[in-house]
Amino acid sequence: AQSVTQPDIHITVSEGASLELRCNYSYGATPYLFWYVQSPGQGLQLLLKYFSGDTLVQGIKGFEAEFKRSQSSFNLRKPSVHWSDAAEYFCAVGPLFSGGYNKLIFGAGTRLAVHP
Amino acid sequence: GAVVSQHPSWVICKSGTSVKIECRSLDFQATTMFWYRQFPKQSLMLMATSNEGSKATYEQGVEKDKFLINHASLTLSTLTVTSAHPEDSSFYICSAHTALHLTVAKNIQYFGAGTRLSVL
Repeated sequence: AQSVTQPDIHITVSEGASLELRCNYSYGATPYLFWYVQSPGQGLQLLLKYFSGDTLVQGIKGFEAEFKRSQSSFNLRKPSVHWSDAAEYFCAVGPLFSGGYNKLIFGAGTRLAVHP
Repeated sequence: GAVVSQHPSWVICKSGTSVKIECRSLDFQATTMFWYRQFPKQSLMLMATSNEGSKATYEQGVEKDKFLINHASLTLSTLTVTSAHPEDSSFYICSAHTALHLTVAKNIQYFGAGTRLSVL
């Protein structure tokens, strides 16, 4: 069955430090992979996506992620974290064709706190 | 491009009343819209999916008579929480997906800002 695992529920880093958020997936074919960010009380904003091609993808706000098929992972990275990056981060995989619809499966999320 | 507007952002209602939440795609035609529910500090739970002009498909365990979804046009979907009770209090988020637009990427869900529902 398809699934997404974000092993870290909560991560705290110092401002200026590097960041890596982990995401592992289980999927029967080549997946579409996404990272979304959610600020408190807000909807989700797409940070980056992987559909095919170069396995290192660049996103907005200085984030990047690397698709590693052998490890079934799609970890999110940022070289230097800013205080404004504090938010909830969701990894998602798709498409899940169910009932004729193209759905996404979301991980449980990782809450990032940034210390000044 | 790819802006999804959700309204209202916060609503408080009395128990037993109905509440309607709107989700609009502002600059593209959304062939499919999704409705999620999110409990505090948890991930998104998909409630239902709908195509324009079709009946919504509800996920297992979601009461279709409780959560009415209408997808009347390619830019508007509504979720009506009927006879709301305190246990329906939650954060509801919609997203839109397109298979039509030339410049808006397909296979991506674009999310609204969410609606916080508080039922007293």
